[in-house]
Amino acid sequence: NAGVTQTPKFRILKIGQSMTLQCTQDMNHNYMYWYRQDPGMGLKLIYYSVGAGITDKGEVPNGYNVSRSTTEDFPLRLELAAPSQTSVYFCASSYDSSTDTQYFGPGTRLTVL
Amino acid sequence: GQNIDQPTEMTATEGAIVQINCTYQTSGFNGLFWYQQHAGEAPTFLSYNVLDGLEEKGRFSSFLSRSKGYSYLLLKELQMKDSASYLCAVRPHNAGNMLTFGGGTRLMVKP
Repeated sequence: NAGVTQTPKFRILKIGQSMTLQCTQDMNHNYMYWYRQDPGMGLKLIYYSVGAGITDKGEVPNGYNVSRSTTEDFPLRLELAAPSQTSVYFCASSYDSSTDTQYFGPGTRLTVL
Repeated sequence: GQNIDQPTEMTATEGAIVQINCTYQTSGFNGLFWYQQHAGEAPTFLSYNVLDGLEEKGRFSSFLSRSKGYSYLLLKELQMKDSASYLCAVRPHNAGNMLTFGGGTRLMVKP
């Protein structure tokens, strides 16, 4: 199993540009999450999904959109990039058991200039 | 609201023992996790506590007191590779599998 994979690893955007961060998991997990981590800080939840076709907002959803058309994929969309979105983005997944741990992807380092 | 506090940085010596504390105030409680994150890498799971007491796993142990809103991660026989950030995360009650993370504690192990 590859686990949770994310692409790209690095990206530089100009203000106002858009992009999609890709996330795929091959563990047949129902739950998937998107976090952002600013330098020296903890993780903040952007959006999450409890299954295909179901998504919900986390703590910091403004400026982002998600979709979950399949169990495996959970892309994160930035429509109008802003400098405040410069961060490292982690995708994670877990089974739907309430005691289950989350498995994280390697992250995407995004800089908006 | 949710509030999770951990020290920002700690330094310890190779071979020693270090305790990283975490206090939390959340709207309900349904488990506490500790994750390890090396610089530039993804967080990886270390431990999970939902009942009061100590959970031991090799060199790492985690303790929970729900009445005090308090947990600690204990690392024994420190090795240089233990230099990393340690993230405390709480699952509030009825939050599905959503986690609220603290800011993390950056541990530096010196020879």
